[in-house]
Amino acid sequence: DIVMTQTPLSLSVTPGQPASISCKSSQSLLHTDGKTYLFWYLQKSGQSPQLLLYEISKRFSGVPERFSGSGSGTDFTLRISRVEAEDVGLYFCMHSVQVPPTFGQGTKLEIK
Amino acid sequence: QVHLEQSGAEMRRPGASVRISCRASGYLFTTYKIHWLRQAPGRGFEWLGGINPNYGNSGIAPKFKDRVTMARDMSTTTVFVELRSLRSDDTAVYYCARGGEEFLGHWGQGTRVIVSS
Repeated sequence: DIVMTQTPLSLSVTPGQPASISCKSSQSLLHTDGKTYLFWYLQKSGQSPQLLLYEISKRFSGVPERFSGSGSGTDFTLRISRVEAEDVGLYFCMHSVQVPPTFGQGTKLEIK
Repeated sequence: QVHLEQSGAEMRRPGASVRISCRASGYLFTTYKIHWLRQAPGRGFEWLGGINPNYGNSGIAPKFKDRVTMARDMSTTTVFVELRSLRSDDTAVYYCARGGEEFLGHWGQGTRVIVSS
């Protein structure tokens, strides 16, 4: 199975400041179809996860533009340009390039 | 709009089985696979497998192959997952989520399963 490693595991950010989370995979997430199957999710307290970004950098419907993704191969980054109070929660990356899909451990974002 | 409604919380003894349902609405049921995942305390997310509602075939993670079965009911646009030979470490919140290009873009509300003697 592909191992997904996120850093940091926790993050405390002042509102209005940027934040970034790294996700590294033990194997390339580039599929033979040319797409890279790397996803970012946010789980707010007591809620189901919500998709933020798919295929590295495509924003899901309704996701604010302050969320962006970058990277390739095995190294990926989620960036929040200006953190807002509603962004608190657990962020995790996931791949689906092969079976089984696996997840990062999660990064807990809190507001200072 | 897309909605996935899961069945309620369950408590089982070790060795028993549990069946969880996920009713899909707001889109054409046969168009997208439904996946099952779980989130155990302190253990992060695990993918159990996915089912294609159009054909009823499923792909199960190797770890769960001997204990998990997935099924669907076209008449009620509902998918099911059954987990057998339950152990205490199967205690988790189980989620269904829709597949597709926007993978896991829509999730059910979660079903808590507690396995305890």
